[in-house]
Amino acid sequence: QSVLTQPPSASGTPGQRVTISCSGSTSNIEGNYVYWFQKLPAMAPKLLIYGNHQRPSGVPDRFSGSKSGTSASLAISGLRSEDDGEYYCAAWDDKLSGPVFGGGTELTVL
Amino acid sequence: VQLRESGPGLVKPSETLSLTCTVSGDSIGTYYWTWMRQPPGKGLEWIGHISHSGSTNYNPSLKNRLIISVDTSRNQFSLNLHSLIAADTAVYYCARGLPPGLAVWGQGITVNVSS
Repeated sequence: QSVLTQPPSASGTPGQRVTISCSGSTSNIEGNYVYWFQKLPAMAPKLLIYGNHQRPSGVPDRFSGSKSGTSASLAISGLRSEDDGEYYCAAWDDKLSGPVFGGGTELTVL
Repeated sequence: VQLRESGPGLVKPSETLSLTCTVSGDSIGTYYWTWMRQPPGKGLEWIGHISHSGSTNYNPSLKNRLIISVDTSRNQFSLNLHSLIAADTAVYYCARGLPPGLAVWGQGITVNVSS
């Protein structure tokens, strides 16, 4: 059972905009930065978003992050077939004194 | 900067898993260094992390079986997980940074715990 809650699946067609939610609590998301990772098959995870909405160099601006209270979301616009994969949210948890992750959302580009 | 995990692919239950992460293109004397894993069909799990000075922070569910250490002379950091069980079967990743801000990852190494 993951500390952060994500929907197990999401889908969209090429060009569409898809949003993935991440629900947490006051000890993690509300008081700390949220991060998002992309995990493609047989690849290492890739940091997509840090600091709630910042993108590392090289990450397209099709990916955007936001946070409100104890929830966060990742939006992917202009969906492409190469976006097919798993997406994970994460945040530091003050009670655990460590990072917590969501269970992951499997994104399918139809 | 590149990170590369090395170690056995198959370990028997009750034995110890020893993995090493070799860092190239950067000095291990900066940043934090982290171990992560992903069991088959499951999500990402934080194992623990270590600072360049050697202070550690472990996942409470693993801390009784876990030691993470750093070797600055070899630019490496290591994981030792004792008393292995089948549930420790996973792809293990090393990464640079204080989690969850992990911007650089190794390619991962598959570890099977089986007799």
